[in-house]
Amino acid sequence: SYVLTQPPSVSVAPGQTARITCGGNNIGSKSVHWYQQKPGQAPVLVVYDDSDRPSGIPERFSGSNSGNTATLTISRVEAGDEADYYCQVWDSSSDHPHVVFGGGTKLTVL
Amino acid sequence: QVQLVQSGAEVKKPGASVKVSCKASGYTFTSYDINWVRQATGQGLEWMGWMNPNSGNTGYAQKFQGRVTMTRNTSISTAYMELSSLRSEDTAVYYCARGQDTAMGTWGQGTLVTVSS
Repeated sequence: SYVLTQPPSVSVAPGQTARITCGGNNIGSKSVHWYQQKPGQAPVLVVYDDSDRPSGIPERFSGSNSGNTATLTISRVEAGDEADYYCQVWDSSSDHPHVVFGGGTKLTVL
Repeated sequence: QVQLVQSGAEVKKPGASVKVSCKASGYTFTSYDINWVRQATGQGLEWMGWMNPNSGNTGYAQKFQGRVTMTRNTSISTAYMELSSLRSEDTAVYYCARGQDTAMGTWGQGTLVTVSS
């Protein structure tokens, strides 16, 4: 079964850049999606297909994907960006295609 | 605007079943898949399966095969997820989410299901 590995936590000062990684075997060959989830709220899609942003998502959120690592980058971090972030792929490599989520990363704004 | 509104919280006894609804509005219900995802308190997201509201075709995560059933009523733009043989470990918030290719673009507000004797 395909596994996505995220760091449990990332900390960054306001105004700095946060980078959250998502590791998986040859993940660069898959489309990676990222979700932001604040306490008590449903997840929100912030980046899809590696690097595209849904309407309404600030340009400060960007993504990249190559080799065995996908990265969500949040520039000029604000206090309101503090949340859990999850990466997700569709694994069609097995005979039972399915969605895979990473374990999530808690972003703390210092 | 695109919106998914889920049914209210449920409390069930072990061994019972629960059926959660997800009413879609703001788009053509049959044009987008519906996924179901759950999240236990303090834990990550866990995908349960998907349904094509047009055809009724479904795909379930292996963990839930035999215990989950996803259906729909197109006349009222509503998707359903039924989970049977409930156990305490099924206590979680259950979300429906509209598919956007392989992503999930819009999510419902979540439904808390508590399994307790």
